Amino acid sequence: EAGVAQSPRYKIIEKRQSVAFWCNPISGHATLYWYQQILGQGPKLLIQFQNNGVVDDSQLPKDRFSAERLKGVDSTLKIQPAKLEDSAVYLCASSARYEQYFGPGTRLTVT
Amino acid sequence: DQQVKQNSPSLSVQEGRISILNCDYTNSMFDYFLWYKKYPAEGPTFLISISSIKDKNEDGRFTVFLNKSAKHLSLHIVPSQPGDSAVYFCAASARETGANNLFFGTGTRLTVIP
Repeated sequence: EAGVAQSPRYKIIEKRQSVAFWCNPISGHATLYWYQQILGQGPKLLIQFQNNGVVDDSQLPKDRFSAERLKGVDSTLKIQPAKLEDSAVYLCASSARYEQYFGPGTRLTVT
Repeated sequence: DQQVKQNSPSLSVQEGRISILNCDYTNSMFDYFLWYKKYPAEGPTFLISISSIKDKNEDGRFTVFLNKSAKHLSLHIVPSQPGDSAVYFCAASARETGANNLFFGTGTRLTVIP
């Protein structure tokens, strides 16, 4: 069974630029999550989708972050414009029931 | 406010001995707890979980203990192996509320010395 796929693996941008991350969940998993992990901290939920509907986006900074999950499968997370404090690893996870399975993450560096 | 806490940032154990990783939580609504293992440049990997209706769950060398009254859980690894060296995250969710988002601790870096 293929795992959660994410791309790119690494991205370096300057502040005020925009960036997008892509995630392909495990086949058949209805729920998809985006987490932000800042160095030295645990992952923090940004947004949760159930199929292509948003379940929880209370921690998403909506003035600069947006996410979509078209057709209930792949998802993209966008940051526009980026700030220095957005430097982190962005993790995508999917679940069928309670255990969440994570992708390798995208390490974003904002300079 | 950190609802899940791992107060030991690191732990070193000799190969073959027991590793005990600890986790505390503050939210009494949490009813499902998980441990994840993370290697560098990889995403967290699910290891073991426990529901609040149990106080122990065992899977091979890994056992998780839950003390609800103390809001404390621990992960025991016996015997510890060098391949167990990684960062371990404790996570919790409040399934009864209908939410499945996880709240993570800050992680404990385990080093198993050969």
